[in-house]
Amino acid sequence: DSGVTQTPKHLITATGQRVTLRCSPRSGDLSVYWYQQSLDQGLQFLIQYYNGEERAKGNILERFSAQQFPDLHSELNLSSLELGDSALYFCASSPQGIGDNEQFFGPGTRLTVL
Amino acid sequence: KNQVEQSPQSLIILEGKNCTLQCNYTVSPFSNLRWYKQDTGRGPVSLTIMTFSENTKSNGRYTATLDADTKQSSLHITASQLSDSASYICVVSAGSWGKLQFGAGTQVVVTP
Repeated sequence: DSGVTQTPKHLITATGQRVTLRCSPRSGDLSVYWYQQSLDQGLQFLIQYYNGEERAKGNILERFSAQQFPDLHSELNLSSLELGDSALYFCASSPQGIGDNEQFFGPGTRLTVL
Repeated sequence: KNQVEQSPQSLIILEGKNCTLQCNYTVSPFSNLRWYKQDTGRGPVSLTIMTFSENTKSNGRYTATLDADTKQSSLHITASQLSDSASYICVVSAGSWGKLQFGAGTQVVVTP
């Protein structure tokens, strides 16, 4: 158990809908990272937040957005969902804001768009 | 083009045998290299992290090597067990703030 929690575990929705994925980092970690992993694909970095501020952006679509709250939990919002958005979404956390820190991954949220 | 290339794409080995996975990278400037193990449907778990000055690092039956001159790393699994069946991902950290570049992973299947 990494100490990172993600909810929900599974999510099934329809095209065009909007969903919110939630992540709670390890106690004391200030950075949260979001990743997407499509079927048989590698991990794709989406976005990083550090202590409430956006720190880095990866391959995140404009239909996706994220935020980190004062209690350091983070939410990833996915809107106008398409079939291709079906994937595992992982959250990771690290103590500080630099990528050199080891990242601890949560169990993931499996999103299925029908 | 992916800056982190892993080979082979997949591997089947018999329980008890050894295997070696390869990772070549072009990421620059190099900060550190990590190997993660990812069980199907679960989050990756860190196995080793190596900086520029480290050549070898072990974690139980897993041994990672790094040649920063040739930009190559390997992960050696000794006396494989069924629980070693997983995807092994090479991740390279670059730049001053350590942006991570992920390899596509090597899928290892250990058979009885």
